[in-house]
Amino acid sequence: QSALTQPRSVSGSPGQSVTISCTGTSSDVGGFNYVSWYQQHPGKAPKVMIDDVTKRPSGVPDRFSGSKSGNTASLTISGLQAEDEADYYCCSYAGSDSSWVFGGGTKVTVL
Amino acid sequence: EVQLVESGGGLVQPGGSLRLSCAASGSTFSSHWMHWVRQAPGKGLVWVSCINVDGSTTRYADSAKGRFTISRDNAKNTLYLQMNSLRAEDTAVYYCAKAGGGSGMGFDPWGQGTLVTVSS
Repeated sequence: QSALTQPRSVSGSPGQSVTISCTGTSSDVGGFNYVSWYQQHPGKAPKVMIDDVTKRPSGVPDRFSGSKSGNTASLTISGLQAEDEADYYCCSYAGSDSSWVFGGGTKVTVL
Repeated sequence: EVQLVESGGGLVQPGGSLRLSCAASGSTFSSHWMHWVRQAPGKGLVWVSCINVDGSTTRYADSAKGRFTISRDNAKNTLYLQMNSLRAEDTAVYYCAKAGGGSGMGFDPWGQGTLVTVSS
């Protein structure tokens, strides 16, 4: 199972919006509404920011939102803040044979 | 909320074995699927394995099939990963994670991770 495709980096100024794409296939992203997004600060464990494509867990700021169109999912951070600088990973369920597949990760830089 | 603490990592020679543990706090451990995810130094996250609530169903990434075995002891609130025939490319931080989200198809929460280094 190939990894999902994410841009290696995106950047924005405080207050701006950035969007991270996550492209897969009809066997993973396009086939299931089970895309999740994780934030990881250096040396820390990942933290879920979005699950089931669009759902924001309790405690996650509402400036984080998720969406999906076809085989591509997206994470948007609106009103970028300094603490949002981190690596972000998408993940999709890919069926009982391949189970779960992650994207390669995107480094978000706040300018 | 469940908290997860991994242990058992360390330095092992190629071809060797290691058993990782993940201790869960709270009373809901036995109600959730559990996962192992790894991250090689400077690299991305890779799903490794999962197990259902009573241990009767397990799944593995191709890289783990035939070498790794996931198991759980619900009486001890502990998840395990037995790793045999270890290779240099298995060097990574190994995280345990609870199945989370509304559908249970995400990972929440994660443990802090335990580092496995395979080297001679």
